Amino acid sequence: DGGITQSPKYLFRKEGQNVTLSCEQNLNHDAMYWYRQDPGQGLRLIYYSQIVNDFQKGDIAEGYSVSREKKESFPLTVTSAQKNPTAFYLCASKGTASTDTQYFGPGTRLTVL
Amino acid sequence: QQPVQSPQAVILREGEDAVINCSSSKALYSVHWYRQKHGEAPVFLMILLKGGEQKGHEKISASFNEKKQQSSLYLTASQLSYSGTYFCGTARSARQLTFGSGTQLTVLP
Repeated sequence: DGGITQSPKYLFRKEGQNVTLSCEQNLNHDAMYWYRQDPGQGLRLIYYSQIVNDFQKGDIAEGYSVSREKKESFPLTVTSAQKNPTAFYLCASKGTASTDTQYFGPGTRLTVL
Repeated sequence: QQPVQSPQAVILREGEDAVINCSSSKALYSVHWYRQKHGEAPVFLMILLKGGEQKGHEKISASFNEKKQQSSLYLTASQLSYSGTYFCGTARSARQLTFGSGTQLTVLP
């Protein structure tokens, strides 16, 4: 089955630690995205990548980093510089056609203790 | 620029209808509608491209008024399964979406 997987589903981290969230897709999509969602809020774009080895900052990139070494993978690292990292993180991917939409993975809920 | 959704929340009884609106101050290329259940990922409902075409999916349909940069999502004869938060995502190009803050829909028996 084609789709997007994110791991882990729940993640706990101590303050001051970096943590990496995994996102893998087998939809053969070129574009991939990371969003952050806070309780009762919409989706805010962290980073996106249109092609391998290239990525751009979104609206709230500070304290986050990404890499895109493979088409299928777009991991997100939440660094200790992110002041309030507790949130629900969603990864998405999209094909290249103008009529394509973004499809989301199941999400990772990160809690900083 | 984040699109503005209205209303923020709506409560219905089964069988009733609802309309959710999404407005942008910028010229739009497309509007995408999603529904999200609590703790889950958003699920794609439909996409509307500029041109005013109305799309439908069972009892859920939507329209896009290009002149007003406004889209509306219509839910008719609502079912319990329609409960969730509805988001519109607006695109000024084919590259990325900007999401509204969502409309929480609750359908009661």
